[in-house]
Amino acid sequence: KAGVTQTPRYLIKTRGQQVTLSCSPISGHRSVSWYQQTPGQGLQFLFEYFSETQRNKGNFPGRFSGRQFSNSRSEMNVSTLELGDSALYLCASSLGTEDYGYTFGSGTRLTVV
Amino acid sequence: DQQVKQNSPSLSVQEGRISILNCDYTNSMFDYFLWYKKYPAEGPTFLISISSIKDKNEDGRFTVFLNKSAKHLSLHIVPSQPGDSAVYFCAAKDWEKLTFGTGTRLTIIP
Repeated sequence: KAGVTQTPRYLIKTRGQQVTLSCSPISGHRSVSWYQQTPGQGLQFLFEYFSETQRNKGNFPGRFSGRQFSNSRSEMNVSTLELGDSALYLCASSLGTEDYGYTFGSGTRLTVV
Repeated sequence: DQQVKQNSPSLSVQEGRISILNCDYTNSMFDYFLWYKKYPAEGPTFLISISSIKDKNEDGRFTVFLNKSAKHLSLHIVPSQPGDSAVYFCAAKDWEKLTFGTGTRLTIIP
C-alpha cells in the first residue's frame, strides 16, 4: 500500500511570506501528526489532527496552523515566515486509536531566506 | 523542557560489535516507548517499541530495555552492521502525543 506522501519535497520562501505544506496519510489512517525537525532539537511536535479535528497541539506560535480534510489529507500552514522556521517538516499518519504505529513521510524541507 | 533526552549526539562502533544507544525521560506518564531510525532526506522509520509494563523487547538484532525506576531506556544492536549507520531517535508516548529525543548519530566503522 502507498506510504505517507508529503508535498512539496523542497521549498524556498522569503521572510514574511506564508507557506502551505500537504500530507496524504496511508489509506485508512485517520490521524495525522506534524513535526518540525531542526538540528539539535530533534522532532518537535506541532499538532495532531484526527477526523478533521485538532486533537493535540504542541508549543508553537499561532503562525503555525493546520487542518484536515474529510479524506484525512492534512495541510499545515505557516504565516509570516521567519528565518528560524527553516526546517524539515514531517508528518506521520496512524490509525489514531490505541495503535501506536506511526508511519512518517519523507518530509518537506523548507528554507526561509 | 526536554522530557526525552538522548545525551550522546553521536556514537561510533566497530562493525560486528554491540551498539548501545541510551535515552532518558522525565515524564512518568509516558506509557509506551519507541525507537526510530532516520536516514538523510527520509522520514523516520519505526524500529522497535516497548510498553511500560515490560522491561525488555527483542526483535532480531534489536533489543530495547526499559528501566522504569531510572526512567531510562536503551537500544542494543548486535551485531552492528554498516547499514545501521543512521540517526536514531527514541520517542515516548503519553495519552496526548509522541515526544521525541534529539537523536543520536550512529556510525558503524567497517
